[in-house]
Amino acid sequence: GAGVSQSPSNKVTEKGKDVELRCDPISGHTALYWYRQSLGQGLEFLIYFQGNSAPDKSGLPSDRFSAERTGGSVSTLTIQRTQQEDSAVYLCASRPLAGNTGELFFGEGSRLTVL
Amino acid sequence: GEDVEQSLFLSVREGDSSVINCTYTDSSSTYLYWYKQEPGAGLQLLTYIFSNMDMKQDQRLTVLLNKKDKHLSLRIADTQTGDSAIYFCADASLSNDYKLSFGAGTTVTVRA
Repeated sequence: GAGVSQSPSNKVTEKGKDVELRCDPISGHTALYWYRQSLGQGLEFLIYFQGNSAPDKSGLPSDRFSAERTGGSVSTLTIQRTQQEDSAVYLCASRPLAGNTGELFFGEGSRLTVL
Repeated sequence: GEDVEQSLFLSVREGDSSVINCTYTDSSSTYLYWYKQEPGAGLQLLTYIFSNMDMKQDQRLTVLLNKKDKHLSLRIADTQTGDSAIYFCADASLSNDYKLSFGAGTTVTVRA
């Protein structure tokens, strides 16, 4: 696609429910990142996928958070048993493997509100 | 990258210059970036500087890097209302797979 696409753009859920957030990166981009942006906070790194390598999960805040990337393309971030502190904008970004300056191309984000 | 800090708010009059400052701690940073986020939108790369450069100019934007002090600044000349946004400073290193570390963002408000 032309850019990084994320869905849903907005999600309201009740505490304790599971949610799935989807990211469709730019075609051909091998690296994919998930970040979380909480109100008044910077962007918090969550997880990173690069090609077929094992993902870097070092930023996931708890074991309720997990992510997959199928076929080296689309990624899904899953939050189980959501809590109110999970409310944030979840941003996905991708970049090509080579010939770049590390620039990340961001989607518009999925705004999650946990009631 | 490790910790990145920046001031949270800046108010500037239309036509004046804006200067946003940032400090970082990771001495191995390869690139330093300025991203812009407009309301309801994702982040967009505004400009970047390679760590062995001191200055980079791109039209109305001037980036200054003091590697010794680990200080980065972004100057926007002739600030316009369309420049109102949140500006994020970030650093990354090739050795860390470009996992960017972001500051909290500086909200720039341009007043007429």
